[in-house]
Amino acid sequence: DQQVKQNSPSLSVQEGRISILNCDYTNSMFDYFLWYKKYPAEGPTFLISISSIKDKNEDGRFTVFLNKSAKHLSLHIVPSQPGDSAVYFCAAKRQGGSEKLVFGKGTKLTVNP
Amino acid sequence: SAVISQKPSRDICQRGTSLTIQCQVDSQVTMMFWYRQQPGQSLTLIATANQGSEATYESGFVIDKFPISRPNLTFSTLTVSNMSPEDSSIYLCSVGRGQGAFFGQGTRLTVV
Repeated sequence: DQQVKQNSPSLSVQEGRISILNCDYTNSMFDYFLWYKKYPAEGPTFLISISSIKDKNEDGRFTVFLNKSAKHLSLHIVPSQPGDSAVYFCAAKRQGGSEKLVFGKGTKLTVNP
Repeated sequence: SAVISQKPSRDICQRGTSLTIQCQVDSQVTMMFWYRQQPGQSLTLIATANQGSEATYESGFVIDKFPISRPNLTFSTLTVSNMSPEDSSIYLCSVGRGQGAFFGQGTRLTVV
């Protein structure tokens, strides 16, 4: 039973355009969500997070949107750059609990020059 | 952020043998986490390692197969015991820090 789902295994966009990566979750107890970026042969790198009390969090080119009623979040990258090409993981946890994270399977983003 | 050093970065092992993976953090942390990423799959938590107590294992993972040590607040080891090809994965240690969790670079294990 996969509690965090990333239904698109891959996404390809042109440099300068917007990349939108999607994530759905099933566990209504999750109240904190994170995005990680992973390059080959490296560990995941924390990118941005959002608490369930917000519906949007922005950090430079990266914005995460949360729709609690739909149990859906998305990561927007604008403008996309070739260096953004990586695998992006969505993760969720319960705040106030342990730091244990539940991950999606990841979406491989390719930004073409 | 946190600086996490993990070694080895990769290894190829014979089935039936064991491999111990080390994780060193640049500052003291209460909990350290060990994850596994099988090919094409998500990261799955194996266990949580607390200093001074036994590790807490997630469903599907047992201490005999994945013994963990946590001798102090900056260091932990994960052993993959009696390996089979199904254990071929990336193993990652992680610590929680502020809003996010931080990961080592991972150990890519191939069992032949």
